[in-house]
Amino acid sequence: GIQVEQSPPDLILQEGANSTLRCNFSDSVNNLQWFHQNPWGQLINLFYIPSGTKQNGRLSATTVATERYSLLYISSSQTTDSGVYFCAPLGGSYIPTFGRGTSLIVHP
Amino acid sequence: DTAVSQTPKYLVTQMGNDKSIKCEQNLGHDTMYWYKQDSKKFLKIMFSYNNKELIINETVPNRFSPKSPDKAHLNLHINSLELGDSAVYFCASSQSPGLAGIQQFFGPGTRLTVL
Repeated sequence: GIQVEQSPPDLILQEGANSTLRCNFSDSVNNLQWFHQNPWGQLINLFYIPSGTKQNGRLSATTVATERYSLLYISSSQTTDSGVYFCAPLGGSYIPTFGRGTSLIVHP
Repeated sequence: DTAVSQTPKYLVTQMGNDKSIKCEQNLGHDTMYWYKQDSKKFLKIMFSYNNKELIINETVPNRFSPKSPDKAHLNLHINSLELGDSAVYFCASSQSPGLAGIQQFFGPGTRLTVL
């Protein structure tokens, strides 16, 4: 199956800072999702982005499928952004694979 | 309206017991999934059903048996529970694989603790 690597594994920010999270994957993909798992454990869809760029408020994501990576940008971070961010590419086998996540803590 | 719901939210039980977790989705999706999230937050797919048919079965012990009575429900039954089964189990749903627009939606999770 697809190998997924997310970086950095841990990130600590001061409120207001910007950050970039990266997701590398080993094979071509049919789609890719980014999720936020909040401190209460809920998994929230952020983006469905097999290719190109999408923006939603302070968050945006870019997937370059030909180079096998996706980036999640968080601008003007807030304490409510804390949690774990997962990317989940879906390859030809249609078996969803999650990365190990980036754990983000935003301090006030 | 809750899109993907799971019951119970918490489950504490003794080793050797049998338990079930239920999942329901009202999104009209054809495909449902069970994931296990371990203590290190690693999410791994266990099963997937498409229109009540098993399509993904990822090296899960036989003690785990999914059942899909209809495409809106996917239940997970676990026999002879072991300490290592302690985890958070997530149900998810999406449109059928093979369609370009697959997007998974997750339930709130069931935290299973085996004593």
